[in-house]
Amino acid sequence: GAVVSQHPSWVICKSGTSVKIECRSLDFQATTMFWYRQFPKQSLMLMATSNEGSKATYEQGVEKDKFLINHASLTLSTLTVTSAHPEDSSFYICSARPGEYQPQHFGDGTRLSIL
Amino acid sequence: LAKTTQPISMDSYEGQEVNITCSHNNIATNDYITWYQQFPSQGPRFIIQGYKTKVTNEVASLFIPADRKSSTLSLPRVSLSDTAVYYCLVEKNTGFQKLVFGTGTRLLVSP
Repeated sequence: GAVVSQHPSWVICKSGTSVKIECRSLDFQATTMFWYRQFPKQSLMLMATSNEGSKATYEQGVEKDKFLINHASLTLSTLTVTSAHPEDSSFYICSARPGEYQPQHFGDGTRLSIL
Repeated sequence: LAKTTQPISMDSYEGQEVNITCSHNNIATNDYITWYQQFPSQGPRFIIQGYKTKVTNEVASLFIPADRKSSTLSLPRVSLSDTAVYYCLVEKNTGFQKLVFGTGTRLLVSP
């Protein structure tokens, strides 16, 4: 149990395109999900906390107008990278916790490449 | 949020026991210690979690001394497939505290 699914797993697109990444909790409800970005050979960096039914909380230095987060249901959060540029190329990962006293469960990530 | 410190990298051979130690000097009373494993191009995967003393599951053991300022992940008889990055995190199990990842330990298992 406690599966977090991300889609797509890999996307290549042209500069200036907007890209949407979905994060779903398949067998549990998640009022809170987290979005991370990871560059090659580096650690995960928290970008934002996605809150169901309310605005996301962004970490310092993360542009909220650039990385739009929507958490419209208890099982789905989306991250939209707007007007993506090559420097936005990275590995994006989401996570959610099934409940208290449970560890975080992570999606398998989305590799985003902007040409 | 408690900061964690781990060795950047470790090398081992197949069949050996590997112990990775993490220090978390400012751990709070309500904090738990959790270890995750990450393979390239995949999200982190939960390995083990503990609060104090020793916890064991089918893949690893976690040793936590009485002062809880450090913890050691023990992987018995590693195989090539255990080559990965291992992250130690300190988190509260109540509420929805965000996780802050440290550098992790890159374990390389050789034949």
